[in-house]
Amino acid sequence: NAGVTQTPKFQVLKTGQSMTLQCAQDMNHEYMSWYRQDPGMGLRLIHYSVGAGITDQGEVPNGYNVSRSTTEDFPLRLLSAAPSQTSVYFCASSFVGTGAYEQYFGPGTRLTVT
Amino acid sequence: GENVEQHPSTLSVQEGDSAVIKCTYSDSASNYFPWYKQELGKRPQLIIDIRSNVGEKKDQRIAVTLNKTAKHFSLHITETQPEDSAVYFCAVTNKLIFGTGTLLAVQP
Repeated sequence: NAGVTQTPKFQVLKTGQSMTLQCAQDMNHEYMSWYRQDPGMGLRLIHYSVGAGITDQGEVPNGYNVSRSTTEDFPLRLLSAAPSQTSVYFCASSFVGTGAYEQYFGPGTRLTVT
Repeated sequence: GENVEQHPSTLSVQEGDSAVIKCTYSDSASNYFPWYKQELGKRPQLIIDIRSNVGEKKDQRIAVTLNKTAKHFSLHITETQPEDSAVYFCAVTNKLIFGTGTLLAVQP
């Protein structure tokens, strides 16, 4: 199993550009999520999904869109990039059951907006 | 929404000493409390977790304790080694609301 994969690893955008960060998992996990990690701020939840066709907002959703058309994929779209979105982005996935389960993280995408 | 506070933000210990990191949370309905370790430039990885029906859990040199009444839980690392040096994050709930992290440095 590849686990959770993310592309690209690095990206530089100009202010106002849009782009999509890709995330895929091959573990048949129902739950997927996106985080951003800024220095000194820990990881903050952007959006999450409990299954195909279902998404919801996390702590910092503004400026980002998501969709979940398949169990495997959970892309994150930046609509109009801003310097404040410079960060490392992590995708994660887990099983969903009667309790909570370990979340597996992807390797991250380092995004710089100039 | 859920609020998670983590202390200390940095912790330096001598090799072989113990390290304790504490987190407090606000939502009394929270029922899942994991700890993640993140080495420099790498992804977070789960090291131990505890559910609300358990007060303590151990895994070799690592333990987590939970006080639901006071709404706090702690990570205990005994006999620290240089490879324990990393950033440690607590988290709360199924959606994983994270604390701000603790940079642990183990001095040889």
